[in-house]
Amino acid sequence: DAGVTQSPTHLIKTRGQQVTLRCSPISGHKSVSWYQQVLGQGPQFIFQYYEKEERGRGNFPDRFSARQFPNYSSELNVNALLLGDSALYLCASSGTGTSPGGEQFFGPGTRLTVL
Amino acid sequence: LAKTTQPISMDSYEGQEVNITCSHNNIATNDYITWYQQFPSQGPRFIIQGYKTKVTNEVASLFIPADRKSSTLSLPRVSLSDTAVYYCLVGDPPNQGGKLIFGQGTELSVKP
Repeated sequence: DAGVTQSPTHLIKTRGQQVTLRCSPISGHKSVSWYQQVLGQGPQFIFQYYEKEERGRGNFPDRFSARQFPNYSSELNVNALLLGDSALYLCASSGTGTSPGGEQFFGPGTRLTVL
Repeated sequence: LAKTTQPISMDSYEGQEVNITCSHNNIATNDYITWYQQFPSQGPRFIIQGYKTKVTNEVASLFIPADRKSSTLSLPRVSLSDTAVYYCLVGDPPNQGGKLIFGQGTELSVKP
């Protein structure tokens, strides 16, 4: 079975640009969460989506937005990129039933570099 | 969500047993304790989860004392491939949903 997949693997952008990251959850999982991991730190929660609705939001500015599609895949958008947005962006999926909880399965991440 | 404290780094040798302790003094009644493992440039991977006493799976054991204010992840006979960062998390899984709160983790280095 395929795990959580993310694209692209790596991305280089310049300050002020916009970026879209994509995530496909494990088949049957209805919840997708996004995390930002800066080098040397633990992942920081950005968003959770369940059944196409936002269920949680971390302490990130409005430049960060996300959505979930009918097939449960998800996109994370970041506008007006700053140097500090350089990080590994992780997607995790969970939730096969009516609850969005349960064990989180992480993808390999997208490495974003902002120059 | 309860805050956790764990050592920043630990060193070990192949074949040894490694115990990583995590403090969570403010753990709530409904909170579970979960450990994740992360290799460089990869996403974290679930290792083990428990509520009280002892939990064991094919990878590790988790020891939780009666007061639940701390927990110990035990890795038996580590190998070089166990070199990774280990995160201790505390929360209520059914209600927590996707919002996992990671601390800084413990960087385990296994030497030959």
